[in-house]
Amino acid sequence: GENVEQHPSTLSVQEGDSAVIKCTYSDSASNYFPWYKQELGKGPQLIIDIRSNVGEKKDQRIAVTLNKTAKHFSLHITETQPEDSAVYFCAASKSGGGADGLTFGKGTHLIIQP
Amino acid sequence: DSGVTQTPKHLITATGQRVTLRCSPRSGDLSVYWYQQSLDQGLQFLIQYYNGEERAKGNILERFSAQQFPDLHSELNLSSLELGDSALYFCASSAQGGAYEQYFGPGTRLTVT
Repeated sequence: GENVEQHPSTLSVQEGDSAVIKCTYSDSASNYFPWYKQELGKGPQLIIDIRSNVGEKKDQRIAVTLNKTAKHFSLHITETQPEDSAVYFCAASKSGGGADGLTFGKGTHLIIQP
Repeated sequence: DSGVTQTPKHLITATGQRVTLRCSPRSGDLSVYWYQQSLDQGLQFLIQYYNGEERAKGNILERFSAQQFPDLHSELNLSSLELGDSALYFCASSAQGGAYEQYFGPGTRLTVT
């Protein structure tokens, strides 16, 4: 089955700096790659996603890039703010037949230092 | 607020018991997914239902089962509970199955003593 590796496990950046979280996946058939933000005591919140026919997607301060050949994708957060502090998860799935759950990475604890 | 609701928020029970977790998907969503989140295993996909039918299975134990009802709400049944079943259980929903946006509920925290 699919295996998703995520690095780093903890990332501490100064407020205003950029943060980058990287993930690799093993199954070349995977074609959907979402990112989730989870705050303490809450469920994962979808923040951005990318499909395999696209190399990059941006939404304000957040961007995701995908390299299908290398089977890795990354989350970029620019101009970080205190409210960006949370655990971020990458995930992968394949949509053949519309049936598949998400395989998640282990998560990155992002700490924004004031 | 994702629009997905889960009850109860917290559940404390003893080993060997059986519990039922409930999920209502976002209005209009046909697909429901169940996930387990624990410190050692992370977030793991358990099972998916689409419009009342089981669509995909992940790492779901035989002691666990689920169903989706005609009104599209879903229940996850956990039986013969063990200490290791203590975890957060999340439900997510999507408009369709597969590679579409999944929206997660707030979760049910299960503690087995």
